Amino acid sequence: ILNVEQSPQSLHVQEGDSTNFTCSFPSSNFYALHWYRWETAKSPEALFVMTLNGDEKKKGRISATLNTKEGYSYLYIKGSQPEDSATYLCAFYNQGGKLIFGQGTELSVKP
Amino acid sequence: EAQVTQNPRYLITVTGKKLTVTCSQNMNHEYMSWYRQDPGLGLRQIYYSMNVEVTDKGDVPEGYKVSRKEKRNFPLILESPSPNQTSLYFCASSRRERHNEQFFGPGTRLTVL
Repeated sequence: ILNVEQSPQSLHVQEGDSTNFTCSFPSSNFYALHWYRWETAKSPEALFVMTLNGDEKKKGRISATLNTKEGYSYLYIKGSQPEDSATYLCAFYNQGGKLIFGQGTELSVKP
Repeated sequence: EAQVTQNPRYLITVTGKKLTVTCSQNMNHEYMSWYRQDPGLGLRQIYYSMNVEVTDKGDVPEGYKVSRKEKRNFPLILESPSPNQTSLYFCASSRRERHNEQFFGPGTRLTVL
């Protein structure tokens, strides 16, 4: 089983703080890296899918970068809001077709 | 509305009683997958299917079966459920190209007594 590691496991910030999390994945047999946002009692929803080394994606206050050579991706949230509270999952897609998820980073933003 | 549906949403059953959780998508997606979510373990892939009549094992396939006879449906079968299969199950689908995002169903909460 390939390991996808996310850190930190949980994060508590104040409204307005900027924050970032890390996803580490195997650098061999890379095909794609996915980020999902998972709110309590809902289903995971896709934020970004990245495939190229050096990719940078942005959606509103959330952005992500990708380094496939060293096997990591960062997710940034600028000016966190309470509605950003969720678990953020990354998933590594290898060339065989399996999608391996990390354990997630649980973000809590206090007003 | 584009969606992935799962049924039932909640199920309490007893050890050994065969059950099927259905999954259906209306987006004409080639790729479908089943995951289970357990506290502290994240989402783990059970089985996936790249297209009709093509299925492959994920990381935790033991105790489960799947079939893909039609593009839209991907049922998960537990022939003889055991308590360690108590979990939250998600079905997901996507277009075949692996740079496409997964669309998740609402989840099925299964309890095996």
